[in-house]
Amino acid sequence: AQTVTQSQPEMSVQEAETVTLSCTYDTSESDYYLFWYKQPPSRQMILVIRQEAYKQQNATENRFSVNFQKAAKSFSLKISDSQLGDAAMYFCAYRRITNFGNEKLTFGTGTRLTIIP
Amino acid sequence: KAGVTQTPRYLIKTRGQQVTLSCSPISGHRSVSWYQQTPGQGLQFLFEYFSETQRNKGNFPGRFSGRQFSNSRSEMNVSTLELGDSALYLCASSSLGLAGELLDQETQYFGPGTRLLVL
Repeated sequence: AQTVTQSQPEMSVQEAETVTLSCTYDTSESDYYLFWYKQPPSRQMILVIRQEAYKQQNATENRFSVNFQKAAKSFSLKISDSQLGDAAMYFCAYRRITNFGNEKLTFGTGTRLTIIP
Repeated sequence: KAGVTQTPRYLIKTRGQQVTLSCSPISGHRSVSWYQQTPGQGLQFLFEYFSETQRNKGNFPGRFSGRQFSNSRSEMNVSTLELGDSALYLCASSSLGLAGELLDQETQYFGPGTRLLVL
């Protein structure tokens, strides 16, 4: 079974600084998807960034980028120029690829990010 | 395009009652998945529906059931509620089956959730 581990329950960063959230996963599959979602106090789960395992190039979305290390099964999220609105719970998620597209998301336990003004 | 909507947003029930939660996916999305989020267990997969068929099911008791309608709207039902069923129930939709990049198709977009409190 696939597992996702987020070893940092809480992180904090000064506004405008850079922070990196860690995520490791365990799978025997060679192809899969990885996602970072944020969940602000409103509890709405919002997609931040996504990565296909077969793509070596790290995904980037504006201030958000990932460091995907397939051999190490590591998928960290870097947030540059942190803003107050980035304060949220961040979840790393894994999804196995199947022919039917019916596979679930497996989530980590989350990292609570606090932005210090 | 409107996002995933869930109704009701908040619900209070007592033990032994049953509850039905509703989810309307993003227009055009045919796959709907349900997740339960609790402080103790985190985010856990309940089931996935596509074209009115349940294709995948998580490790939950039979009290948890769901269905999907021809317009892709989905409902989940919990019978004989227990205190431990108190949770945030999240619905997610994806555009699987539509033309486009595979990663786009398989990305799940979440609704705001229904917070259920069982007393």
